[in-house]
Order: sequence, then C-alpha cells, then structure tokens
Amino acid sequence: DAGITQSPRHKVTETGTPVTLRCHQTENHRYMYWYRQDPGHGLRLIHYSYGVKDTDKGEVSDGYSVSRSKTEDFLLTLESATSSQTSVYFCAISWGEDTEAFFGQGTRLTVV
Amino acid sequence: TQLLEQSPQFLSIQEGENLTVYCNSSSVFSSLQWYRQEPGEGPVLLVTVVTGGEVKKLKRLTFQFGDARKDSSLHITAAQPGDTGLYLCAGGKGNNRLAFGKGNQVVVIP
Repeated sequence: DAGITQSPRHKVTETGTPVTLRCHQTENHRYMYWYRQDPGHGLRLIHYSYGVKDTDKGEVSDGYSVSRSKTEDFLLTLESATSSQTSVYFCAISWGEDTEAFFGQGTRLTVV
Repeated sequence: TQLLEQSPQFLSIQEGENLTVYCNSSSVFSSLQWYRQEPGEGPVLLVTVVTGGEVKKLKRLTFQFGDARKDSSLHITAAQPGDTGLYLCAGGKGNNRLAFGKGNQVVVIP
C-alpha cells in the first residue's frame, strides 16, 4: 500500500471556523490531490499540486485553499467552514501526470 | 456535465451470476483506470488501460478499453460477496486532472 496518511480522520466543526486537513505521503510522489466525495456527485477535484509550492485549482475550489511547502505534505484549508462543505475528503498521490492515483483513507468533516 | 458516465448506477445480483458495468464518454482519454471503493475507505486501483481495444484480466474481472479510447467496461464472472463495492472509472486527458465517474454500486447477495 502507498504510504499516504490523512489527519484527522473525523472532525466536527462549527460554521465560520477555519479548518485544516493534512495529507502526508512517504512515497516521494510529485502530484498530490484533494477531492471531496458527496452522494450524487462522486469524486470532485478541489485543488492539486504538481510540486513544492506549485498548486492549481480543480472544479470545486471556492472556499478552499491549499499549501505545499514540502514534497510530503499537502494541506487543505477551509477558510470559513460552511454546512455545504460537510463531506468526505480524500487526498491522493500519483507519480506522474494522469497516472494511477493512490488514495488516503479519507477525512469525514461535519460542519454544524 | 459529467465527463464520464457510469451505468448502471446501482446493480444487485445473486452470488454466482455475471455482471457488466460501463463507463462512457464523448471524450478521448490517454488512459482509463478502474478503482473499487468499500465503505469508509478510499478508492483502490484495480487496473489501468492505455491502448484502444485493450483487454485486461484480473482473476474474475475483465476490463476492456474501447477502440476509440472513449469508453470502457468491467465484466465480473461468477460474482462473489467480496466483489461488493463502488466501482469508479477515471480518465486522464493529459492535464494533470483525473476525471472520475460517479461510480457503479455493485451488491452481491450471498
């Protein structure tokens, strides 16, 4: 199994508070991704990174920001959490462009 | 608009039966992948197909990539309860972004 760890695994937070999710990899893969998964919508890309300090937006990036200061860590921040951001968040890594993705176990976030 | 359409969305069959699920698009993909996801877990890669017309087998699972590289199918022979899960297809278009379908939820009843 690819060495990819997400933290926390579960979080409940209040509307309006900032939240940061962490993804840590031990595989030295270049690409890292944040997805959210919701019933009826499938997996949707939030942001991705193609190298240290190199990031780009996905299809549902509003309200989210990311940072990658080291190869192994990719952080997702919800600047001011809203109930619509209640979801399961998955981090994924891949070694090359459009190559196989290896997923973390997910973070279940509930915004109340 | 969903780039990859998976059908059927939900399929329930008896153990021992065969099933086929589909992943279709109007776009051409450089590669297409299939993943399986179980409840509470992240998707796990099953296979990648690259060449149009390619067929790959993984035990009782057969994956086919369409000749035009726009669609794919997954066939399971003699399904077992352990095959239960959400099957996701994903396509690469050379833009650093894998596009995922919404998935085929398969339930195999013992």
